[in-house]
This record gives sequence, structure tokens and C-alpha cells, in this order.
Amino acid sequence: DGGITQSPKYLFRKEGQNVTLSCEQNLNHDAMYWYRQDPGQGLRLIYYSQIVNDFQKGDIAEGYSVSREKKESFPLTVTSAQKNPTAFYLCASSTTGVSEKLFFGSGTQLSVL
Amino acid sequence: AQKVTQAQTEISVVEKEDVTLDCVYETRDTTYYLFWYKQPPSGELVFLIRRNSFDEQNEISGRYSWNFQKSTSSFNFTITASQVVDSAVYFCALREYGGATNKLIFGTGTLLAVQP
Repeated sequence: DGGITQSPKYLFRKEGQNVTLSCEQNLNHDAMYWYRQDPGQGLRLIYYSQIVNDFQKGDIAEGYSVSREKKESFPLTVTSAQKNPTAFYLCASSTTGVSEKLFFGSGTQLSVL
Repeated sequence: AQKVTQAQTEISVVEKEDVTLDCVYETRDTTYYLFWYKQPPSGELVFLIRRNSFDEQNEISGRYSWNFQKSTSSFNFTITASQVVDSAVYFCALREYGGATNKLIFGTGTLLAVQP
């Protein structure tokens, strides 16, 4: 079945450590996105990519980094510069276009030890 | 500035009751798109509906219906005869046509609990 796979489902980070969240899609979508979800808040865009080897910052990119070396993959690194990383992270993909709907993965819950 | 407001943080109903989830949006664009997504306990957001700003017709899909009113900048979602499986967080979102970024602006979500 086509879809988006995020791993791991739960991740723990120690102080000063970088961690990488995986996102893979087999929907042949050009665009991919990372959103952060905090309790009681909506989703906020971290980074997005509309084509391989290109990506743009979203609203809350500080303390995060991404790469897009393959169409299928869009990993997110939470760096030690992100002082409040505890959140639920959602990866999404879509075809390019103004009104295209997003397809989401099942998320990764990141917590700080 | 674009903004989506979902004033209802939590709603609790008993099975078979009808329930309406409110969504109010702000935008300066004349062309825009509105969405509803459902987030069940599994965490994955599921697309429910997309509506463009030029189509104000209400839409019905089974027990779900949507009321889009540009005059009040609202895009409300009604579930008729609610079921326990409807329990989830529901997000309303806005996408403006203009602008360099390609992103959705989400509301804060409404947690719907349907009791048996």
C-alpha cells in the first residue's frame, strides 16, 4: 500500500544531542513537509521541500535541519540548538499545486531525557 | 494576516447526537482553499474535505456535512448521528493562493469525544 512511513514512533533525546527523524513516502509525491504539533496547538510548519535537493524554511525552522537527497525521503534533524524539542512531529507529502491535499504519516513523539 | 480559529477546544457528546465543529478564518486573499482533517488516536491526520473560495455550496458526505459561508468567514463541520469512531481531534486549515510559500495554516483543533 502507498503511504508515508515515519520512524521511530517514540524517540528520546539527551541534552546536547542531535536526533534524526525518518520520513519515507512511496506515493511518488514531489512535495514533502515537516510539521510540529504541541498539545492544544495547531500544526506549525518547520520545513518543506517541493523538489529533490531543494527545501525552504517554514515558520519555526530554528534548531532544525533537513535534507532532500531522494524524492522518497525527507529526514528531519532536531539539533541541540532546539531548546524545547519535546513535541509530536508529523511528516506529510503531496503533489505540487496550490490546492493539493496533504497525506500524513503517523508521527514521531520526541521527548527530552 | 491569515489565521484559523477553532474556538471549541473540547466537545463531548453521547452517541447518536449531532455535533457541529466551528471554524472561522481570516485572509486577505480572494482566492483560497479550506480543509478539514481528522486526527484519530493513532496520530495520523486524515483528509476529509477541500473547498475553494469560489464554491459556497454546502457539501454532504454520508453523516458528514460542511457549511461554507464567506459572509461570516466560516467553514463549519457537522457530524450527524455521531458514533464512537468519530472520536478524534479535528483540524480546520487554510491555504492562500498567493504567497511564495506552499503551506497550510491550521487551527488549534477541536477534540471530539463521543460517549457510548
